[in-house]
Amino acid sequence: GDSVTQMEGPVTLSEEAFLTINCTYTATGYPSLFWYVQYPGEGLQLLLKATKADDKGSNKGFEATYRKETTSFHLEKGSVQVSDSAVYFCALSVGTGNQFYFGTGTSLTVIP
Amino acid sequence: GAVVSQHPSRVICKSGTSVKIECRSLDFQATTMFWYRQFPKKSLMLMATSNEGSKATYEQGVEKDKFLINHASLTLSTLTVTSAHPEDSSFYICSAQIGNTIYFGEGSWLTVV
Repeated sequence: GDSVTQMEGPVTLSEEAFLTINCTYTATGYPSLFWYVQYPGEGLQLLLKATKADDKGSNKGFEATYRKETTSFHLEKGSVQVSDSAVYFCALSVGTGNQFYFGTGTSLTVIP
Repeated sequence: GAVVSQHPSRVICKSGTSVKIECRSLDFQATTMFWYRQFPKKSLMLMATSNEGSKATYEQGVEKDKFLINHASLTLSTLTVTSAHPEDSSFYICSAQIGNTIYFGEGSWLTVV
């Protein structure tokens, strides 16, 4: 079945450190891939997405590249800020149902 | 842009009572709405898919008599947690679809005491 495996947290980084959160997927079709972010006390927000192989999604300094050969969609940011502290979810959507399959979420804390 | 609103954002209810959570698409008509539940330290799990005017399709393992979903109009879906118990305490989030685009609500924190 379709699923997403995400790096477990929590992750604690110092400000301006490099961030990588790994995400791999299993899908029967050709999925679209997403990263969502959930700030404390808030709902989900779309961070970035990619709809086909080799696409790179980017937003707010975050990037992720859709790698079909490694079935991965790792999230990266070159220099994190305290305001990036949140829970990050990798997700995929495949087929006509538009249902999402989420990873377990990775909690990121950035300390000054 | 399109916005999906959930209400209430936080609710505390007594064990045995029922609580209703609303999901509204504010500036578009949603063909389909989805309800998810977030378990602590676990991923969001799809509970049900709801199409306007028809019965919701529940995922395996979700009790449809406990989690009542009503999709009365193209802009409103409701989730009612009936006879709530402390183990129902969770974060519930909806999403609404228009075309191929999905928008998520802000989520609702339910605490059953």
